[in-house]
Amino acid sequence: DAGVIQSPRHEVTEMGQEVTLRCKPISGHNSLFWYRQTMMRGLELLIYFNNNVPIDDSGMPEDRFSAKMPNASFSTLKIQPSEPRDSAVYFCASSITSGGRNEQFFGPGTRLTVL
Amino acid sequence: DAKTTQPPSMDCAEGRAANLPCNHSTISGNEYVYWYRQIHSQGPQYIIHGLKNNETNEMASLIITEDRKSSTLILPHATLRDTAVYYCIVRTRAAGNKLTFGGGTRVLVKP
Repeated sequence: DAGVIQSPRHEVTEMGQEVTLRCKPISGHNSLFWYRQTMMRGLELLIYFNNNVPIDDSGMPEDRFSAKMPNASFSTLKIQPSEPRDSAVYFCASSITSGGRNEQFFGPGTRLTVL
Repeated sequence: DAKTTQPPSMDCAEGRAANLPCNHSTISGNEYVYWYRQIHSQGPQYIIHGLKNNETNEMASLIITEDRKSSTLILPHATLRDTAVYYCIVRTRAAGNKLTFGGGTRVLVKP
């Protein structure tokens, strides 16, 4: 298995532009998570989905951020309009909800720079 | 989920055991202790987890005190590739697999 796939790996954009980050979870996993990591705030959970349904979006900073999961194999995180303070590494993770170890598998991240 | 406290950093000699402490004095009976690590520029990686018994896998051992208020992650023979930030996380199964990361311990393995 290729693991969690994220694209793009790097994104540089200008303030005010729309940014879309993409994630393909591991096949068969039914939970998907979006995290953001900055030096100041560390790793923060933004939103997570179970069976394609958003369960907890309390970590989404503001209305400029939105996330969708149209099917079990794809999710997007959109920022519109982007601001310099959105610069961070965004990680997607997936897991399978079961009686097992409930391990989350993380993707390589998307490094976003907003100028 | 219960809060955890970890030392911000520690050094370890290559080939020696690394013992990483974690305090979780407010842990409740249905909360598990999870350990993840993040190697520079990569996504976090699961290491091990436990409820109350000690656990061992191919990566590490987890020792949980009898009162469950603290735990220690042991890397038995640290290598340079174990240099990373190690996160101790406490959560319930009912949290929907949600992970809340603290500051972690930055471990530097030195030759």
